[in-house]
Amino acid sequence: QSALTQPASVSGSPGQSITISCSGTSGDIGSSNYVSWYQRHPGEVHRVVIYDVSNRPSGVSNRFSGSKSGNTASLTISGLQPEDEGYFYCASHSTIGTWVFGGGTKLTVL
Amino acid sequence: QEQLEQSGAEVKEPGASVKVSCRASGYSLIAYRMHVVRQAPGQQGFDYMGWINPYNGDTGYAQKFRGRVTLTRDTSINTAYMELRGLTSDDTAIYYCVRDLRVTCLWGQGTLVTVS
Repeated sequence: QSALTQPASVSGSPGQSITISCSGTSGDIGSSNYVSWYQRHPGEVHRVVIYDVSNRPSGVSNRFSGSKSGNTASLTISGLQPEDEGYFYCASHSTIGTWVFGGGTKLTVL
Repeated sequence: QEQLEQSGAEVKEPGASVKVSCRASGYSLIAYRMHVVRQAPGQQGFDYMGWINPYNGDTGYAQKFRGRVTLTRDTSINTAYMELRGLTSDDTAIYYCVRDLRVTCLWGQGTLVTVS
């Protein structure tokens, strides 16, 4: 059982928007500005798509956005495209100096 | 091109130890913290194990692994190591080295450790 809770799967049609939630506690997401989201396509290395709650690394599409409210972080992908399909993971720095990860969410583009 | 090159798959007997290496290529190991996470077969999420600051050797470990895992580094060969002791079947997983976890995040390809 992972420390952060994500839905196991989400799906959407091309062009739609989807949001993946990541629920934690006051000891991690609730008190941290360091929340990251990672994407993995099958057969490829993971890459970060959001860091520090809502920042996008260079090269990541502006269709990806992140936010946080209380103990829950969210990743929103707008204008869904087939190449967005894959697995998404959230992670948060915690008050005890380590990180915690979510269980991962499989995104299917219908 | 920056890469993290991990050592190859391992098969270990229960009770043994395993040491996984992560070689930094295209950048200096000491410039960023290194983290280790693992993903068990059939499990979608990750277990966070710990971090090392390769510059000074400082480490931090998740409570679950404290006392059983050690992260070290050899800056002369730009390589970090994760050693896990007292292996059980529950330690069968893919182990990943991850540089930073924020803007300069870089994942290794993973190392499968099978305990059998």
